[in-house]
Amino acid sequence: EVQLVESGGGVVRPGGSLRLSCAASGFTFDDYGMIWVRQAPGKGLEWVSAINWNGGSTGYAESVKGRFTISRDNAKNSLYLQLNSLRAEDTALYHCARAVAGSEYAFDIWGQGTMVTVSS
Amino acid sequence: QSALTQPASVSGSPGQSITISCTGTSSDVGSYNLVSWYQQHPGKAPKLMIYDVTKRPSGVSNRFSDSKSGNTASLTISGLQAEDEADYYCCSYAGSSTWVFGGGTKLTVL
Repeated sequence: EVQLVESGGGVVRPGGSLRLSCAASGFTFDDYGMIWVRQAPGKGLEWVSAINWNGGSTGYAESVKGRFTISRDNAKNSLYLQLNSLRAEDTALYHCARAVAGSEYAFDIWGQGTMVTVSS
Repeated sequence: QSALTQPASVSGSPGQSITISCTGTSSDVGSYNLVSWYQQHPGKAPKLMIYDVTKRPSGVSNRFSDSKSGNTASLTISGLQAEDEADYYCCSYAGSSTWVFGGGTKLTVL
């Protein structure tokens, strides 16, 4: 079964850090670009970051640039998001998603998400 | 990186057709035929419905179609069914490995 499972979320104080992980299974991980998308409680989807198949190309939303870092370990079939200098407005459910084969610009497999709460 | 503009809500009766618009700029929707649409039911992960303006993933009904003109993309759902009631989001590639989502539209099937 093709699957993405996120982990690493939790409650953290403003200014703190977290590392989110996304474990992929059921497909050849290093064939696909990946993204992180977040959804604040009761709000819409917000694209956060993207990485291509080999990690050679990355992109970030302006709201997280300089604070978040996306990476991947193809040998471990895993995607990561390092969250630093966290703010209250970073509180959200963080999903990882896989790019569509042959497109790379849309995302067809999504994880259920891991919740990040930034609060003092 | 401003969010794409979608109507907050739309509604329709079973069997009818509805259209959800998604307006961006010449830097995103207007520059690329790379708009995708996602359906999200409460408490669930988003589901890809249409991508690259015209392509549907396997298993997605052909009642879902889309189009694009200038800086505006549109999703049309024909033959509305109760199960279509959900939130819908558009998303566009915006260049340099960046993407932007719309604010989302709540579809109510009356």
